[in-house]
Amino acid sequence: DAKTTQPPSMDCAEGRAANLPCNHSTISGNEYVYWYRQIHSQGPQYIIHGLKNNETNEMASLIITEDRKSSTLILPHATLRDTAVYYCIVRVLLSGGYQKVTFGTGTKLQVIP
Amino acid sequence: DAGVTQSPTHLIKTRGQQVTLRCSPKSGHDTVSWYQQALGQGPQFIFQYYEEEERQRGNFPDRFSGHQFPNYSSELNVNALLLGDSALYLCASSLATGNVRDEQFFGPGTRLTVL
Repeated sequence: DAKTTQPPSMDCAEGRAANLPCNHSTISGNEYVYWYRQIHSQGPQYIIHGLKNNETNEMASLIITEDRKSSTLILPHATLRDTAVYYCIVRVLLSGGYQKVTFGTGTKLQVIP
Repeated sequence: DAGVTQSPTHLIKTRGQQVTLRCSPKSGHDTVSWYQQALGQGPQFIFQYYEEEERQRGNFPDRFSGHQFPNYSSELNVNALLLGDSALYLCASSLATGNVRDEQFFGPGTRLTVL
């Protein structure tokens, strides 16, 4: 799996957009970018994923650069409940469809009232 | 529709003991992966089970073993516990359709403390 680099921590004011960057300069053509988050002492929660086009769902938007070497997760209106560790992950499809997820250390997002 | 469930929630053991953790996958899922998460770190992949066989393994010693049952539930066994085995153990389930678009669903974890 390609390695990802994220800032260790970020702050965001409540109600503002939170933009979380991720570098994955060694990503290969068949690897997807996934984002998970982990609220304190809970299991990681899937947020969104993409290959090369920008994606949006009810939780967030994912912007992937044209060269696919970096991406940004956008939480449009951050709330206190969005305080969590956010993991950017690049996933490879293993033979037989087996899916291994390699986590880094993530970005600790603190939403401030 | 039940998500991924794990038991027990918390566990305290002493060094040298053995422990078994259990996981039931999300309904319809057939693949179970186990992760170890030390305090302040991201989850680390231990191994993955599909069709009752270990398919992938991370960099963990043989003290860590597992099993998958015909109903797709799984157990993680750790022998000869060390203090460093203290961690949150996470189970994730997925469907081995060969489609990387299928995300993994994680359980709440089992907090293991080794004294």
